[in-house]
Amino acid sequence: EIVLTQSPGTLSLSPGERATLSCRASQSVSSTYLAWYQQKPGQAPRLLIYGASTRATGIPDRFSGSGSGTDFTLTISRLEPEDFAVYYCQQYGSSPCSFGQGTKLKIK
Amino acid sequence: QVQLQESGPGLVKPSETLSLTCTVSGYSISSGYYWGWIRQPPGKGLEWIGSVYHSGSTYYTPSLKSRVTMSADTSKNQFSLKLSSVTAADTAVYYCARGVYYYHSGGYYTYHFDYWGQGTLVTVSS
Repeated sequence: EIVLTQSPGTLSLSPGERATLSCRASQSVSSTYLAWYQQKPGQAPRLLIYGASTRATGIPDRFSGSGSGTDFTLTISRLEPEDFAVYYCQQYGSSPCSFGQGTKLKIK
Repeated sequence: QVQLQESGPGLVKPSETLSLTCTVSGYSISSGYYWGWIRQPPGKGLEWIGSVYHSGSTYYTPSLKSRVTMSADTSKNQFSLKLSSVTAADTAVYYCARGVYYYHSGGYYTYHFDYWGQGTLVTVSS
């Protein structure tokens, strides 16, 4: 099973700043089968990015994904108040698909 | 608008079977996609449990495979999860979700999930 390690565990930033979240895989993720989700308290996860860099329907262009192999990044170019949440990466390049432990993005 | 809604008991006794149903609206489960269950223990991360196709084809995570059964009922546009011999470690919020699937040359499918239910908390306790 591929283990995903997200860093940092918590990121404290202010609205308007740029956020960079990392997801590192224990083995290469084939064909950039990597997704990112956003989860707010008491809500279900929301798909943001799939295929490492393709935004899901309705996702603002301030969210972008990049990377390949074992290293992937989610970037939020200018933080809005509604972006403060927990973010998870998920690999679906091999079975079982697996999730990272999450990065909590907090308001500074 | 695709919507999913989980239903089932919120409290299950240890050693018993957890049973949940996901009702889908706005999309026919017979039209495609795999339909999955993902769980999240309180304060923790996400774990994929398994996925089912409308034909009945299923894929389960290895760590739970011996205890999990999933099925689909196209007449009701629902799919279900049964998890047997539960313990306190199975206490979690259980989500159902639509899985965009990918076939791999090793003969298996994987998924990312584009629509999710709101989740239902299941507590295992006597």
